[in-house]
Amino acid sequence: QVQLQESGPGLVKPSETLSLTCTVSGYSISSGYYWGWIRQPPGKGLEWIGGIYHSGTTYYNPSLKSRVSISVDTAKNQFSLKLSSVTAADTAVYYCARQDGDWFDPWGQGTLVTVSS
Amino acid sequence: EIVLTQSPATLSLSPGERATLSCRASQSVSRYLAWYQQKPGQAPRLVIYDGSNRATGIPARFSGSGSGTDFTLTISSLEPEDFAVYYCQQRSNWLTFGGGTKVEIK
Repeated sequence: QVQLQESGPGLVKPSETLSLTCTVSGYSISSGYYWGWIRQPPGKGLEWIGGIYHSGTTYYNPSLKSRVSISVDTAKNQFSLKLSSVTAADTAVYYCARQDGDWFDPWGQGTLVTVSS
Repeated sequence: EIVLTQSPATLSLSPGERATLSCRASQSVSRYLAWYQQKPGQAPRLVIYDGSNRATGIPARFSGSGSGTDFTLTISSLEPEDFAVYYCQQRSNWLTFGGGTKVEIK
């Protein structure tokens, strides 16, 4: 059974870089699939951020591309998100998920990141 | 960017009733549409993919239909655990989500 767990700081200052890690268990990232990040501002809808293949191939939401970087560490079975120059608009619950044909299944439980000084 | 518009925003129904949720795309997405269920405080869960295929473990009361720009998620007889927010998502051109439909208890 594949499980994903997000981790990282819950509070980030404006203009700084948000960094999160997703640890995968029950499945080896090296075996395939894309692995993605999605966010959800409090009380709002979902926004896809980007995804990465085990080889390191990435693709990003064009609206966030200039600020996003996703990387993978197959040895640790983890993939990570960096979002630079954050503002209050980046406050959200951040989810990681496996992308199966670009559908997200399963998802991690999510982690709330608040951008505030 | 393909915009997905979901309607209605809120659907008030009683257990046992039929729920019909709509998702309309700003341009054709072929059959590349999925539906997710999200309960308060939980991550979304995949319900339907490729327009009409039920995800693993999803009961048969959930069905999806449509292609092109108009899609429907139907819950044939609402169970108490089905009251939640439902989102559609397309993968035809990048990945975008609809704004959601809340199915609440009447």
